[in-house]
Amino acid sequence: AQKVTQAQTEISVVEKEDVTLDCVYETRDTTYYLFWYKQPPSGELVFLIRRNSFDEQNEISGRYSWNFQKSTSSFNFTITASQVVDSAVYFCALSERYSSASKIIFGSGTRLSIRP
Amino acid sequence: DGGITQSPKYLFRKEGQNVTLSCEQNLNHDAMYWYRQDPGQGLRLIYYSQIVNDFQKGDIAEGYSVSREKKESFPLTVTSAQKNPTAFYLCASSMPGSDTEAFFGQGTRLTVV
Repeated sequence: AQKVTQAQTEISVVEKEDVTLDCVYETRDTTYYLFWYKQPPSGELVFLIRRNSFDEQNEISGRYSWNFQKSTSSFNFTITASQVVDSAVYFCALSERYSSASKIIFGSGTRLSIRP
Repeated sequence: DGGITQSPKYLFRKEGQNVTLSCEQNLNHDAMYWYRQDPGQGLRLIYYSQIVNDFQKGDIAEGYSVSREKKESFPLTVTSAQKNPTAFYLCASSMPGSDTEAFFGQGTRLTVV
């Protein structure tokens, strides 16, 4: 069965610090997709990144970077030089591609607070 | 503009009444989903549908019902059997089997008094 674990419930750092959000997943499929979403106070989920199971290249987008490691079933998200606007709840999610009952499962989220 | 629309944004109902939350998408997505989020909690899957006239229960389907008569629409009914209906409800759509992400609506905050 699918499972996504975000062990960090809340993280608080001072602005300009680097911060890493952890995500560990479980799946029996060999083909799957991983996602990160940001949920600001408004409530709407904002898509950040997707990664398929065959692409283990790390990705960098501005201050954001993602580290995908199949060997440890992890898909961690790092914010470099954090800013107050990064404060939000961040969700990691998993979708199995060829499952006959494909669904998207979310972790419990990490609430990130950036202090000025 | 393509997107997914949930209405209303805020909804108040008296205890014991059924209430239906609307979700419409014009992205031509086959799959649609309903999630529930409680304060300080993650997203829990209520129901999902891969294709018109078909849907499956998620992890917390009890007390909820859905229909998928049209590709664009996936309404969620919160019945009186749902013991704790007050929550934030999010609808999403995606193309299953593709590498695209799920798109989310703005959510409906349901308060039962």
